[in-house]
Amino acid sequence: TQLLEQSPQFLSIQEGENLTVYCNSSSVFSSLQWYRQEPGEGPVLLVTVVTGGEVKKLKRLTFQFGDARKDSSLHITAAQPGDTGLYLCAGEEYNFNKFYFGSGTKLNVKP
Amino acid sequence: ETGVTQTPRHLVMGMTNKKSLKCEQHLGHNAMYWYKQSAKKPLELMFVYNFKEQTENNSVPSRFSPECPNSSHLFLHLHTLQPEDSALYLCASSPSNQRETQYFGPGTRLLVL
Repeated sequence: TQLLEQSPQFLSIQEGENLTVYCNSSSVFSSLQWYRQEPGEGPVLLVTVVTGGEVKKLKRLTFQFGDARKDSSLHITAAQPGDTGLYLCAGEEYNFNKFYFGSGTKLNVKP
Repeated sequence: ETGVTQTPRHLVMGMTNKKSLKCEQHLGHNAMYWYKQSAKKPLELMFVYNFKEQTENNSVPSRFSPECPNSSHLFLHLHTLQPEDSALYLCASSPSNQRETQYFGPGTRLLVL
């Protein structure tokens, strides 16, 4: 069992569609981060959410941190082929000072 | 370019070989990390260094030996590896004690035959 569960594991969509990926846990996190990793490269940090209920926008990407700080979502509007990659959530468990990564959602956006 | 470089990018080695992976960061960070990324598994944190001192070793087998001569450089010495050690090895750095702000290198793709 992983502390951070991401769903779906795989997602293949057409260009222009909207999508949401999820990062869930039964534990509380001090903060959660979202990374995108392209093939042959390391993960690149997209955003950090810190406050319960927080919403952050990065162009067509919208990130939300759950009110209880146990989960997060990433919504992409009008997906483009350049959005293709592995999306990873990560965070530090509150009060335990342990850092975890989820296993990721592999997104493929077809032209 | 994230400011973290890794060499080599690809490595094939036999089980009896000794090799080293190198990581260098140009971001002025004081913390450096080694991760292992295998297919269908989350990133596994292997080692953490803060101001050149090892602060975390997550039960990594002794055939992996890290070295951090200064805050900008991190090595992973490999010796007598097993085929199941084949993976992408990622280095990251962050400001001291700020794991939420990690910058990753491109990784070294390792194949152990």
